[in-house]
Amino acid sequence: ETGVTQTPRHLVMGMTNKKSLKCEQHLGHNAMYWYKQSAKKPLELMFVYNFKEQTENNSVPSRFSPECPNSSHLFLHLHTLQPEDSALYLCASSQATGTEAFFGQGTRLTVV
Amino acid sequence: DQQVKQNSPSLSVQEGRISILNCDYTNSMFDYFLWYKKYPAEGPTFLISISSIKDKNEDGRFTVFLNKSAKHLSLHIVPSQPGDSAVYFCAASAVGSGNTPLVFGKGTRLSVIA
Repeated sequence: ETGVTQTPRHLVMGMTNKKSLKCEQHLGHNAMYWYKQSAKKPLELMFVYNFKEQTENNSVPSRFSPECPNSSHLFLHLHTLQPEDSALYLCASSQATGTEAFFGQGTRLTVV
Repeated sequence: DQQVKQNSPSLSVQEGRISILNCDYTNSMFDYFLWYKKYPAEGPTFLISISSIKDKNEDGRFTVFLNKSAKHLSLHIVPSQPGDSAVYFCAASAVGSGNTPLVFGKGTRLSVIA
């Protein structure tokens, strides 16, 4: 069992759909993150949660809405996305912000 | 403006030889550096790290060197193996300044040729 589990692995959605990405970590970590990876770009930090509190929102459009109900679970709610939002969305966790982050396998999102 | 730069998008190395991946950073507050390895369709996996109080850290075939004055670090893999073929990401954070989240470079695709 991997330490950080993301579901679904693949998602195709229309621009008018609403969907959610789920992340669960079994490592007892206190910080959780959403990253976006697009082709030929660095991993882009989207959101940071520390002890369930959002501590960073990296100018992410409001069509992406994170939720952290507890320190083990993290969601990314998606609505009215654009085709350019198609990317690999990665969840990660770490004991503290800035220390080694452990990543899930990612959700490959395609917006059509 | 990119704070962590990996200027070589790709690198090809013969099996058994040394692979050297380079990374430069601009933020002088960074004091903790990491390398991650990523296979297609998987998330990045942590490989090795180094704190700014050191200039070298070694773990088996992997060695990371840090040159603080040049704001440069490198990852050496020796001997290189075909299974090392992956994308390698350099990352940095400012742990001593309140634990900032990791900042990643664009990655370097390493191909180890048998």
